[in-house]
Amino acid sequence: EAGVAQSPRYKIIEKRQSVAFWCNPISGHATLYWYQQILGQGPKLLIQFQNNGVVDDSQLPKDRFSAERLKGVDSTLKIQPAKLEDSAVYLCASSLTTDGEQFFGPGTRLTVL
Amino acid sequence: GENVEQHPSTLSVQEGDSAVIKCTYSDSASNYFPWYKQELGKGPQLIIDIRSNVGEKKDQRIAVTLNKTAKHFSLHITETQPEDSAVYFCAASIGGTALIFGKGTTLSVSS
Repeated sequence: EAGVAQSPRYKIIEKRQSVAFWCNPISGHATLYWYQQILGQGPKLLIQFQNNGVVDDSQLPKDRFSAERLKGVDSTLKIQPAKLEDSAVYLCASSLTTDGEQFFGPGTRLTVL
Repeated sequence: GENVEQHPSTLSVQEGDSAVIKCTYSDSASNYFPWYKQELGKGPQLIIDIRSNVGEKKDQRIAVTLNKTAKHFSLHITETQPEDSAVYFCAASIGGTALIFGKGTTLSVSS
């Protein structure tokens, strides 16, 4: 079974630039999550989708972050404009159901200079 | 909201020894407690989980215990091996809500 795919794996940008990350969840998984993991900390949820609807985006900085999940499958997370404090690993995870095991992708390491 | 505290932040053991990592949570409504292992450059991987209707769960060398009254849960790894070296995260959630993670424990197993 293929795992959660993410791209790119690494991205370096200047502050105030924009960036987008892509996630392809495990086939059939209805729930998709985006987490932000700052160095030395545990992952923090940014947004949770159930199919193509948003379940929880209470921790998403909506003035600069946006996310969508088209057709309930792939998802993109965008940051515009980026700030220095956005430097982190962005993890995508998926689960079959909302209370099922979450499978994580390898993450995208973002560096904002 | 839920808050998860994890201790210790670093743990060094000799191969063959046992390792114990402890977490406490604040919201008594939390009912799902997974443990994740994260190796360098990879995403977290679930190693064991427990739900609030169970006090203990074991899978080979790994076990998790849950004390709902005290609101704490622990990960026990026996007969540690060098390949157990990684960062371990505990987490808690209520039903299908977001996982709240601890800050992680870096486990080093020396041979």
